[in-house]
Amino acid sequence: GAVVSQHPSWVICKSGTSVKIECRSLDFQATTMFWYRQFPKQSLMLMATSNEGSKATYEQGVEKDKFLINHASLTLSTLTVTSAHPEDSSFYICSLISLEDSNTEAFFGQGTRLTVV
Amino acid sequence: GQQLNQSPQSMFIQEGEDVSMNCTSSSIFNTWLWYKQDPGEGPVLLIALYKAGELTSNGRLTAQFGITRKDSFLNISASIPSDVGIYFCAGQTGTYKYIFGTGTRLKVLA
Repeated sequence: GAVVSQHPSWVICKSGTSVKIECRSLDFQATTMFWYRQFPKQSLMLMATSNEGSKATYEQGVEKDKFLINHASLTLSTLTVTSAHPEDSSFYICSLISLEDSNTEAFFGQGTRLTVV
Repeated sequence: GQQLNQSPQSMFIQEGEDVSMNCTSSSIFNTWLWYKQDPGEGPVLLIALYKAGELTSNGRLTAQFGITRKDSFLNISASIPSDVGIYFCAGQTGTYKYIFGTGTRLKVLA
């Protein structure tokens, strides 16, 4: 399957600062990547779809001005949490879709644990 | 956001026992995927299902895509301690987006 590298694996930041999370596809050119958020003991919730060369598509209830997504190349998507607050503390995971013989499988990065203090 | 109903929510089993969990939805999905997530890690794909009625195995794991396309189950045979973790189902909507189940937390007692 596709190899997805996410960086950093964890970050602690002060309230009010911004944090950038990178998601790289190491062996695959991904025109589309997805960003998920997972709170403790809960499932993954899709935040947005990142499209290479165009604007991201955000799910209902996700603030696009707060969660900035940039998909500048086929191997890199970044999520920037702007003006972070403690309630933004969560586990953020990116994924990409691999298309083989028209079957789609989603592969995930190792996740980034964000703690806002 | 939308989620799939997954059951059971958690289970404790003895090593060597078989495990079964399922995922149901009111919507039809084109693809079902099953993932395992360890603490602090991203989900790892276990099994992918593409056709209604499809039954697929991966070692001790077996999963089926329900004939109505609204459900799927995952079985683990002869469980071992390293099977502990959280198992998620995920259903694909028409535009490559995946919706995740609520998760089944599995604990194996040696």
